[in-house]
Amino acid sequence: QLQLQESGPGLVKPSETLSLTCTVSGGSISSSDYYWGWMRQPPGKGLEWIGSIYYSGTTYYNPSLKSRVSISIDTSKNQFSLKLNSVTAADTAVYYCARPIVVVPGALGNRIGWFDPWGQGTLVTVSS
Amino acid sequence: DIVLTQSPDSLAVSLGERATINCKSSQSVLHSSNNKNYLAWYQQKPGQPPKLLIYWASTRESGVPDRFSGSGSGTDFTLTISSLQAEDVAVYHCHQYYSSPFTFGPGTKVDIK
Repeated sequence: QLQLQESGPGLVKPSETLSLTCTVSGGSISSSDYYWGWMRQPPGKGLEWIGSIYYSGTTYYNPSLKSRVSISIDTSKNQFSLKLNSVTAADTAVYYCARPIVVVPGALGNRIGWFDPWGQGTLVTVSS
Repeated sequence: DIVLTQSPDSLAVSLGERATINCKSSQSVLHSSNNKNYLAWYQQKPGQPPKLLIYWASTRESGVPDRFSGSGSGTDFTLTISSLQAEDVAVYHCHQYYSSPFTFGPGTKVDIK
């Protein structure tokens, strides 16, 4: 059974870079049937898609965050990572990694479908 | 961006009764090439990540009880819990994967009356 687990600092100072890693177990991150993605959920609010990556390294980002976000993949470690720079209090949220399925046809320019499964999530607080 | 709105914001239903949640999209998520609606539903219990219930607007994920059903097409969708159980207390989110950026509805909280 595929499992995803987020890891990284729970506290980040304003203007610094948030860095998280998602470790995938029970399956290969190199599968062509899936993407890998990051979402976040501010306390008491809704879900926001941050971005996704294919095993080849092709990335897709939410335009609202594109200037500050970077997602990378390490197939040798079965991990993918998120970096969000210049953080503010507005970036305080529970960050989830998840596996989007490949759908054909997909949205223009990609084939990202629904997200399943999700990691347990990790709360990242931006505060000095 | 496609905006998803959900109604109601919250609802309380008696055990064994029907719960109905609506999701409205700002534009159609029906793909003309395959006649499929690019919409999913998730259940999120307190302190837990979202769990996939429904995809393609009406296809139930494996292992999801058949009291959960999805319907609708184009811009208007519904998630129905036919007979509410105590373990169904949660927030329910709709999600569109028709167009990037992929977006979620604000969620509907379901409680026991």
